[in-house]
Amino acid sequence: GAGVSQSPRYKVTKRGQDVALRCDPISGHVSLYWYRQALGQGPEFLTYFNYEAQQDKSGLPNDRFSAERPEGSISTLTIQRTEQRDSAMYRCASSGRTSGSRNEQFFGPGTRLTVL
Amino acid sequence: AQSVTQPDIHITVSEGASLELRCNYSYGATPYLFWYVQSPGQGLQLLLKYFSGDTLVQGIKGFEAEFKRSQSSFNLRKPSVHWSDAAEYFCAVGSAGGTSYGKLTFGQGTILTVHP
Repeated sequence: GAGVSQSPRYKVTKRGQDVALRCDPISGHVSLYWYRQALGQGPEFLTYFNYEAQQDKSGLPNDRFSAERPEGSISTLTIQRTEQRDSAMYRCASSGRTSGSRNEQFFGPGTRLTVL
Repeated sequence: AQSVTQPDIHITVSEGASLELRCNYSYGATPYLFWYVQSPGQGLQLLLKYFSGDTLVQGIKGFEAEFKRSQSSFNLRKPSVHWSDAAEYFCAVGSAGGTSYGKLTFGQGTILTVHP
């Protein structure tokens, strides 16, 4: 596709369940970023990859959160043992046919996660 | 650590009026600065960016922003607002190096309402 896609668009789960959020970046993009956006706030950085290598995971809130990008394309953000405070919009962005912070990040539509 | 402040949570203007959205940043070196717009149900779209050079940058949809180092500001402007500009606007600062290369730090956003 032409843009970044994310699935599912909406996810409702019960507390304690694991969830996996998928991001399909723009074809050929080197860098992939995950952000979390709470209501009324701006996106907050979680982690990012260059190709398949996770470069920075300093924004992951705790060890229940993990991300992978095994083949340098599609990425999955996994939240284990979900809690109500995990409810938020999770956004993915990709950038660059070469790595570089000047590259525009193209954002997907997000996954709205609700934990009951 | 880098940070962004958008002092105005909500701004209302009349269609055809001029607009200025404020953004102040904190960053240890020359910042990479961005303005994104988010419409309901949509991903974030880049309006414009500043890396270096001319401090007045032009973006899409008739928007412009001016980088003022002395004031640590990057305010977004538009001379005449259209009803379709109603959305949420985010200012962001990008990391130019280190382990957080490419990471964006966003402000909390300004919601723009346009009255006919």
